[in-house]
Amino acid sequence: DAGVIQSPRHEVTEMGQEVTLRCKPISGHDYLFWYRQTMMRGLELLIYFNNNVPIDDSGMPEDRFSAKMPNASFSTLKIQPSEPRDSAVYFCASSLGGLAGGIQYFGAGTRLSVL
Amino acid sequence: AQKITQTQPGMFVQEKEAVTLDCTYDTSDPSYGLFWYKQPSSGEMIFLIYQGSYDQQNATEGRYSLNFQKARKSANLVISASQLGDSAMYFCAMRENRDDKIIFGKGTRLHILP
Repeated sequence: DAGVIQSPRHEVTEMGQEVTLRCKPISGHDYLFWYRQTMMRGLELLIYFNNNVPIDDSGMPEDRFSAKMPNASFSTLKIQPSEPRDSAVYFCASSLGGLAGGIQYFGAGTRLSVL
Repeated sequence: AQKITQTQPGMFVQEKEAVTLDCTYDTSDPSYGLFWYKQPSSGEMIFLIYQGSYDQQNATEGRYSLNFQKARKSANLVISASQLGDSAMYFCAMRENRDDKIIFGKGTRLHILP
């Protein structure tokens, strides 16, 4: 079975450019989570969706960040404009809420470098 | 207050020895789940094991077991017969039943020595 699929795996961009990260959750999962991981701040939850609806975006750092989930099999996290402090690894995770504790399965992550 | 505490930032263990990674948690919700994830140097987050607060027995998955002590609010991960490939960062996490989110600890970096 395919796990959570993220693309691209690596992204290098210049400050001010728009960055779009993509995620395909595990088929049948009804929750999708976006995380950011840095050495300084550890793993931070940015936003999560349930049945394609954003439930909690309190972790989104600022208006430059936006996330969408147009359907059950696709989500994007967009940063516009990007800044060097956005450099991090961004993870997408999905879960089947409520069952077996809602175990989250993570994608391989996107390593973003903003120069 | 931190909800998940991992007091060991780093550990060095000889290959083939058993390893215990400590985790304590704090919640007033009677229903919750506890998780352990492994993050090797390649970066991916790998789910290892889950324990529900009402589970009567400690969870086990191959060489991994979760030493669940509810009264102490402790959920230590035990790795038996450690291998070089176990070298990684390990995260303890909790999900309260009233919330959809998982709260992660800061992690313990485990080094297995040959």
